[in-house]
Amino acid sequence: KQEVTQIPAALSVPEGENLVLNCSFTDSAIYNLQWFRQDPGKGLTSLLLIQSSQREQTSGRLNASLDKSSGRSTLYIAASQPGDSATYLCAVGLDSTDKLIFGTGTRLQVFP
Amino acid sequence: DGGITQSPKYLFRKEGQNVTLSCEQNLNHDAMYWYRQDPGQGLRLIYYSQIVNDFQKGDIAEGYSVSREKKESFPLTVTSAQKNPTAFYLCASRTGRGAGLGQPQHFGDGTRLSIL
Repeated sequence: KQEVTQIPAALSVPEGENLVLNCSFTDSAIYNLQWFRQDPGKGLTSLLLIQSSQREQTSGRLNASLDKSSGRSTLYIAASQPGDSATYLCAVGLDSTDKLIFGTGTRLQVFP
Repeated sequence: DGGITQSPKYLFRKEGQNVTLSCEQNLNHDAMYWYRQDPGQGLRLIYYSQIVNDFQKGDIAEGYSVSREKKESFPLTVTSAQKNPTAFYLCASRTGRGAGLGQPQHFGDGTRLSIL
């Protein structure tokens, strides 16, 4: 059974730092891996989606990598800003129906 | 604007009562999903639907029911059989066609259900 783990559970950093959030999964037979952002009391916003055949995706200050063989993905946030404060969730897509298995998230706080 | 609308934002259920959460999308998406989120936990899949008049159970379907009579609507009923319904419920949709398989799910803003 696929399990997704995110480390650390919480992170507090000063503005301007470069950050790495970690996601690990137990079964390398995945369809895709997705990173989402969740603000308090809100739904999820998609940040990056990496297909199983890809190694990384970039959007602005965000870069996500995927290493299926080791069961790991990282989300890199460059030059963090207070507006980046949120919970970041990674999710593994099991097949083309896009059933997702979510990690428990990393709660990020960026202070000025 | 295109998006997903969930209503109500807050809902209270009495013991033994069934309640229905609404999810409507105007994105012309084929696939729709219901998730449950408990404090400090990730999302867990309740039900999903790839096309109208068809749906499948997710990991925690017991005590829940759904219907998909229209492409844009995917209501979730929390029945009295669900003994611990207090949670944040999120609805999502995604285009299910061809190249759209590489597209992410779009989420509504959720409904918070509590027991009176």
